[in-house]
Amino acid sequence: EVQLLESGGGLVQPGGSLRLSCAASGFTFSSSAITWVRQAPGEGLEWVSDISASGTVTSYADSVKGRFTISRDNSRNTLYLQMNSLRAEDTAVYFCAKPRFRGDYDYWGQGTLVTVSS
Amino acid sequence: EIVLTQSPGTLSLSPGERATLSCRASQSVTSNYLAWYQQKPGQAPRLLIYGASRTAIGIPDRFSGSGSGTDFTLTISRLEPEDFAVYYCQQYVSSPYTFGQGTKLEIK
Repeated sequence: EVQLLESGGGLVQPGGSLRLSCAASGFTFSSSAITWVRQAPGEGLEWVSDISASGTVTSYADSVKGRFTISRDNSRNTLYLQMNSLRAEDTAVYFCAKPRFRGDYDYWGQGTLVTVSS
Repeated sequence: EIVLTQSPGTLSLSPGERATLSCRASQSVTSNYLAWYQQKPGQAPRLLIYGASRTAIGIPDRFSGSGSGTDFTLTISRLEPEDFAVYYCQQYVSSPYTFGQGTKLEIK
């Protein structure tokens, strides 16, 4: 059974940093690209970042480019999102998601809440 | 960036009725790289449709997708009580893989 389990969310002050993790199981992690998607309270879904299976190719939404860094450790079956210079507008539930093929996500984690507030 | 516009914003229907949700793209979604998701409160999204018209594993056959180019439709043939939720379309032809703003399907 495919499982994705996010962790690392919490309350952080504006300008602060946080690192999210996503532990994967039930599939060959090293063969799959993985994505972060976020959802602000009461809002829609926003694609944030993705990383290729090998980790060599990454993409970012303009809203986080230069502040967030996606990475993965295939030996630990874990995805990361390092978030720096956090802003109030980064407040959201962050989901990791596995694509079925390309960018259509057939498995999602339960999400981890990040709150940026003083 | 491809912008997806969903309509209506809210759809009020009764169980047993047919639901038709629309998703319009600002530019052509080639190869029909268009997906639909269902999201219930407090839950992660669930993939319903991929490739514009292909039903994901485990999804009831009352859900169907159609369309091409810039206009896509999600149809629920006969609403069940568990179908009342928010629905999102998403394109995955070009990064960033944008989502529509969602359609809330509520019980009338």
